[in-house]
Amino acid sequence: DSGVTQTPKHLITATGQRVTLRCSPRSGDLSVYWYQQSLDQGLQFLIQYYNGEERAKGNILERFSAQQFPDLHSELNLSSLELGDSALYFCASNPRGTGVTGELFFGEGSRLTVL
Amino acid sequence: ELKVEQNPLFLSMQEGKNYTIYCNYSTTSDRLYWYRQDPGKSLESLFVLLSNGAVKQEGRLMASLDTKARLSTLHITAAVHDLSATYFCAVPLNNAGNMLTFGGGTRLMVKP
Repeated sequence: DSGVTQTPKHLITATGQRVTLRCSPRSGDLSVYWYQQSLDQGLQFLIQYYNGEERAKGNILERFSAQQFPDLHSELNLSSLELGDSALYFCASNPRGTGVTGELFFGEGSRLTVL
Repeated sequence: ELKVEQNPLFLSMQEGKNYTIYCNYSTTSDRLYWYRQDPGKSLESLFVLLSNGAVKQEGRLMASLDTKARLSTLHITAAVHDLSATYFCAVPLNNAGNMLTFGGGTRLMVKP
C-alpha cells in the first residue's frame, strides 16, 4: 500500500459523459501527478499540481482538467468522453516538487471504461 | 523530446535462467527509476538510481545506471515465477522536476 488513495476503482460510462476521478496523496506529500495508461499509448504524464497550483502539463487533452484542493486532494475531470479515453488513470505523489530522490508513489488507479 | 525505450518488450523465460532488460533514453539525465506492475495493478517502485554508476540490488533483481551511455539495465538472476510482471523504467523530463517519462514496459513471463 503506497498510501495514495484513488476513487472510484472502476467506472463505466457512455460517450459524451463527464466523470471525476479523485486522489488523496500520501500524508504530507504536496505534489500530485496524474498519469494515463492505455494499451496503445502506454503510460502518459497528464498534469502535476504542487500545493494547490498547477506545476506542469503533459499530454492532457483540453477536454480534461484537474485541480488540487487546500486539503491537497486532487480531482481529474474528464468531459465529452470518447471511446479512446478508456484507460487506467493513476495518481501519484511525492513529498516535494523537486524531492531528493524524485520517486513517485502511485495509487491503485481508476479504470475508466467508455461505452 | 525525451524518449525512453525498453527492450525487449516481451520476455518469456524459464525459472532459474538469467536475463537482462535494457532501458535507453534520449536526453541527459542523472536519475532513473524502475517500477514493477502486476496486471491491472498499481506501479510499485523497485529502484531509484541517482548517479552515474549507481547499482542497486534487491533479491534476484539488480539495476544499474550508465548516464554517459544513457542506459540502464535490470538484471534478473535465477528467475522465479513470482517475478512475472511488467517492468518499467522511467526518466525525469528534466533534472529539475519529477515528471517521469516511462518506457513502453517489458512484460516478463517466467515459466516453471
